[in-house]
Amino acid sequence: DVKVTQSSRYLVKRTGEKVFLECVQDMDHENMFWYRQDPGLGLRLIYFSYDVKMKEKGDIPEGYSVSREKKERFSLILESASTNQTSMYLCASSLLAGHITDTQYFGPGTRLTVL
Amino acid sequence: TQLLEQSPQFLSIQEGENLTVYCNSSSVFSSLQWYRQEPGEGPVLLVTVVTGGEVKKLKRLTFQFGDARKDSSLHITAAQTGDTGLYLCAGLNTGNQFYFGTGTSLTVIP
Repeated sequence: DVKVTQSSRYLVKRTGEKVFLECVQDMDHENMFWYRQDPGLGLRLIYFSYDVKMKEKGDIPEGYSVSREKKERFSLILESASTNQTSMYLCASSLLAGHITDTQYFGPGTRLTVL
Repeated sequence: TQLLEQSPQFLSIQEGENLTVYCNSSSVFSSLQWYRQEPGEGPVLLVTVVTGGEVKKLKRLTFQFGDARKDSSLHITAAQTGDTGLYLCAGLNTGNQFYFGTGTSLTVIP
C-alpha cells in the first residue's frame, strides 16, 4: 500500500512566522502535490512537482513556495504566514500524473492555524 | 474559478435511505473520479469513469458519467453509518490536471 505521511497533524503559528510542512511518500512516485482544503471550496491545488527539483504552480500559489530535493519528499513553505492561510493542507502523490486513470494518494492532512 | 460544483453541500439521512450526489460543470473532462474522505484522513479514491454514459457499481454505490462528460452522479442505496464522510469529485481537464469539486458532506444517522 502507498503511504503518504505528513510531518504534523496540527500546527499553530503566529502571523509572520515561516512555516514548513513536510510530506514523504514511500512508493517511488514521480509526482507530488500540495492542496489546501476549505469548507465549500473543495481541494485547491497550490503547487505540484513532476520530478526532483521541478515545480509547477497550481491554482493558488501566492504566498507559498515548495521544495523537492529528494524524490520521496515534497515540502510546502509559507514564507510569512498570514491568517488567511489557516486551512487544512493535504499532500498527495501519484504515479501517472495527467493520465485519465491516475490515482492520487493522500496524506492525512495538516490542520494549520495562523493566529 | 471553481469548475466542478457539487450538490447538495450537506446531506443528513437515516440509515437505510437512498441518496444521490451530483457533480456538475460546464467543462468537458477526459475522466472523472470520486473520492471519499473520512474525518481526520485524506481522500481515498473510490472510482474512475472515463467514457460518456459509463456506469460503474461498487457494492451499494453507483457512479455515472454524463453522456457529454460534463457531469457525474453518485447514488448510494440503503445508506449505512460507514458511508458517512465527505464525497469529492475530481475531473481531468484538457490540461491534464485534476480539478476537485466543492464536496458533499454526508452524515448517515443510525
